[in-house]
Amino acid sequence: EDKVVQSPLSLVVHEGDTVTLNCSYEVTNFRSLLWYKQEKKAPTFLFMLTSSGIEKKSGRLSSILDKKELFSILNITATQTGDSAVYLCAVPNSGNTPLVFGKGTRLSVIA
Amino acid sequence: DGGITQSPKYLFRKEGQNVTLSCEQNLNHDAMYWYRQDPGQGLRLIYYSQIVNDFQKGDIAEGYSVSREKKESFPLTVTSAQKNPTAFYLCASSGQVSNYGYTFGSGTRLTVV
Repeated sequence: EDKVVQSPLSLVVHEGDTVTLNCSYEVTNFRSLLWYKQEKKAPTFLFMLTSSGIEKKSGRLSSILDKKELFSILNITATQTGDSAVYLCAVPNSGNTPLVFGKGTRLSVIA
Repeated sequence: DGGITQSPKYLFRKEGQNVTLSCEQNLNHDAMYWYRQDPGQGLRLIYYSQIVNDFQKGDIAEGYSVSREKKESFPLTVTSAQKNPTAFYLCASSGQVSNYGYTFGSGTRLTVV
């Protein structure tokens, strides 16, 4: 079964709205959780959350990690059309292993 | 500028043919990865390499092969044994497998005709 589950899979909002994207995970020996933004081709890094860094903020984007409940949220306030993208959540499966990605949330922001 | 380059951007292949996708990085990264992306499927790991002359299978390695003869290069061959090769292929690199600050290439879109 999927180890990283994102919801919703797609979302359409109007400019100025606030959105919350969800990511739940199930891995052994949790180390970190990462968020990426994929606009057209190459995903770009947004945040990395760890046991010692459970909240991150950059401009209108912020993310929180709940290690007890095994999930993370990505918030985007005052959305703009430039926020339209696929947002990917990823965790390493266990130990020193590559990232496992969720299916992503496709966000569309309309004017 | 340091980065990771994938070529070609678009590739068409006839059924039954092998094809090789190129991935080159000048970031001096030890670890390199190949992911496949299908609509609604997210990124799925095909192969990864932690160091030159060493690589490991990912979750969907069947029908694919790789080599890592140089630190900078990690080519992916899609063989005729891959039943559904049409997809978007992403290459990435990081300092080490335990370093999750991946740098991604711009991808290769492979279409089997």
